[in-house]
Amino acid sequence: GQQLNQSPQSMFIQEGEDVSMNCTSSSIFNTWLWYKQDPGEGPVLLIALYKAGELTSNGRLTAQFGITRKDSFLNISASIPSDVGIYFCAGPTGGSNYKLTFGKGTLLTVNP
Amino acid sequence: DAGITQSPRYKITETGRQVTLMCHQTWSHSYMFWYRQDLGHGLRLIYYSAAADITDKGEVPDGYVVSRSKTENFPLTLESATRSQTSVYFCASSATIRPEAFFGQGTRLTVV
Repeated sequence: GQQLNQSPQSMFIQEGEDVSMNCTSSSIFNTWLWYKQDPGEGPVLLIALYKAGELTSNGRLTAQFGITRKDSFLNISASIPSDVGIYFCAGPTGGSNYKLTFGKGTLLTVNP
Repeated sequence: DAGITQSPRYKITETGRQVTLMCHQTWSHSYMFWYRQDLGHGLRLIYYSAAADITDKGEVPDGYVVSRSKTENFPLTLESATRSQTSVYFCASSATIRPEAFFGQGTRLTVV
């Protein structure tokens, strides 16, 4: 099946720094989703992207749908301690619009 | 405003026992999903359901059984639990025409 390669696997940053992470696939995706998982909780949807080239913001988070439709990027500006968690990219796979494939996640640690 | 709830949150069971994890959603979403989350593997789809009485296998269905007699409930049963089924299990749901899935808080299952 389709696989999503997410990088980096982990990041250690200082509070106030900006963060960038990305997700790539060998296949084209029609939708890109970004989730955040806090420790001990389920993933929460942050941003949904539906169109190649689309740039969407949610507070300090900005995500982009790559022009090739095979990648997506998530940026976090001016990080704060509560940004700590695992960030996942996901997209519908297998010809369906509802079965999601997830990347393996980027673990973000923010040092205050 | 319950959304999607899973029970129990934590469960310890013995090898060979049958155990059922419960999932209930209040949004009337058509699609429901069960994922397991393991270190190094990310989120993997076990089973999904497109509507009441319609279920299908995901990526890792072996050893699991699901049913969906009512739209709002989607229980996952491990018929004879094995240690390899020790994991965190997440239920999710999504509306018919949109791929965004919304997750429960998870059930941490330990098989001893």
